[in-house]
Amino acid sequence: EAQVTQNPRYLITVTGKKLTVTCSQNMNHEYMSWYRQDPGLGLRQIYYSMNVEVTDKGDVPEGYKVSRKEKRNFPLILESPSPNQTSLYFCASGGGTGVTEAFFGQGTRLTVV
Amino acid sequence: LAKTTQPISMDSYEGQEVNITCSHNNIATNDYITWYQQFPSQGPRFIIQGYKTKVTNEVASLFIPADRKSSTLSLPRVSLSDTAVYYCLVGDKRMAGSARQLTFGSGTQLTVLP
Repeated sequence: EAQVTQNPRYLITVTGKKLTVTCSQNMNHEYMSWYRQDPGLGLRQIYYSMNVEVTDKGDVPEGYKVSRKEKRNFPLILESPSPNQTSLYFCASGGGTGVTEAFFGQGTRLTVV
Repeated sequence: LAKTTQPISMDSYEGQEVNITCSHNNIATNDYITWYQQFPSQGPRFIIQGYKTKVTNEVASLFIPADRKSSTLSLPRVSLSDTAVYYCLVGDKRMAGSARQLTFGSGTQLTVLP
């Protein structure tokens, strides 16, 4: 089954404690992205990757890091989380010839206290 | 990326047909129109995509007039489980499928009532 898998689904952490949210896709897609969704602000892109070792900033990259060492994985790293990073995060993948839709993960609800 | 305008919310009753219109006056020649559906606390899910005239799949129909400045997503005989936010996106086909810089906007909150 084609899917994008994020882990964990829920996470509560404290300010300043480094964390990683993992994302994996099994469709051999070129593109992967991270979005955050906040009430009233909609979905905003954090980072995206066009292929292995190729990443670029989205609209709200501050406070986040990503890496793309393998095609299937695209982890989101928060080196020093702050309360304003409390949000619902989505990973997405897509791309490739003939691919007309993006696939999203189930989301990670992060709370930073 | 072309700017899109959709109604903020719509209500309907079970069994009715629902039409959600999206305005995209600045659509470019190479742009496609793509609709996504999002349930609360879940990731958006692709519904349908089209370039002109009419596209139909097992879930919905998409009507695009000749000038392509608007499009209408049609959901036949909605049920309570169709309550969700529906997003209209406009951009080239590769953008829609790449997950790169998808601009979702505010979407339309559809509430289906019993």
